Amino acid sequence: YEVTQPPSVSVSPGQTVTITCSGHKLGEKYNSWYRQKAGQAPELILFKDVERPSRIPDRISGSNSGNTATLTITGTQPMDEAHYFCQPWDGSTVFFGGGTKLTVL
Amino acid sequence: QVQLVQSGADMKKPGASVRLSCKTSGLTFTDYAFHWVRQAPGQGLEWMGWVNPVNGDTKYSETFEGRITITRDTFATLVFMDLTGLRSGDTSIYYCTAAKDSSYPYWGQGTLVTVSS
Repeated sequence: YEVTQPPSVSVSPGQTVTITCSGHKLGEKYNSWYRQKAGQAPELILFKDVERPSRIPDRISGSNSGNTATLTITGTQPMDEAHYFCQPWDGSTVFFGGGTKLTVL
Repeated sequence: QVQLVQSGADMKKPGASVRLSCKTSGLTFTDYAFHWVRQAPGQGLEWMGWVNPVNGDTKYSETFEGRITITRDTFATLVFMDLTGLRSGDTSIYYCTAAKDSSYPYWGQGTLVTVSS
């Protein structure tokens, strides 16, 4: 099962950015998103497509339908610069997208 | 506070085996499934497999089937991952994770395994 993300995305501070994650019938699986900064373990930022851990601000949101899951960050800040990975799960097997490097210019 | 503390970095020769451990605390061990995920230098994340801490059932990625064994010690709240037949392509950071709601809210600090002759 192949999961595809764009290798890189750039955004200006204060703007909105979306990162996509594509896979066959991905909308039928629960999807999560992780943020990873250099030298650190990944951090969960969205789960069950749209749910946020309590520490994650509501300017981070997600959706998942059809073949595409989307991570949206509004009011992007320099601290959002990181690698982002999507992770769909079909109930027994876990998949990861290749990751997207978000650059805040 | 939840902690997953992994064993230290290791260096192995090709063909050798490695056992990594993950000591958990601050969570109810049987409420989570425990997975191992690895990341080669500068690369993405790769799922390896998981263990059900209640009954010890496992599920492995086809990529590692036959080379990987994940076990747990429920009383000591420890998780182990054994990987055999190591090759240079196995050089990676290996993460222990606690899974719930189809996601990984908790991660260990990672263990670098280097495979080199």
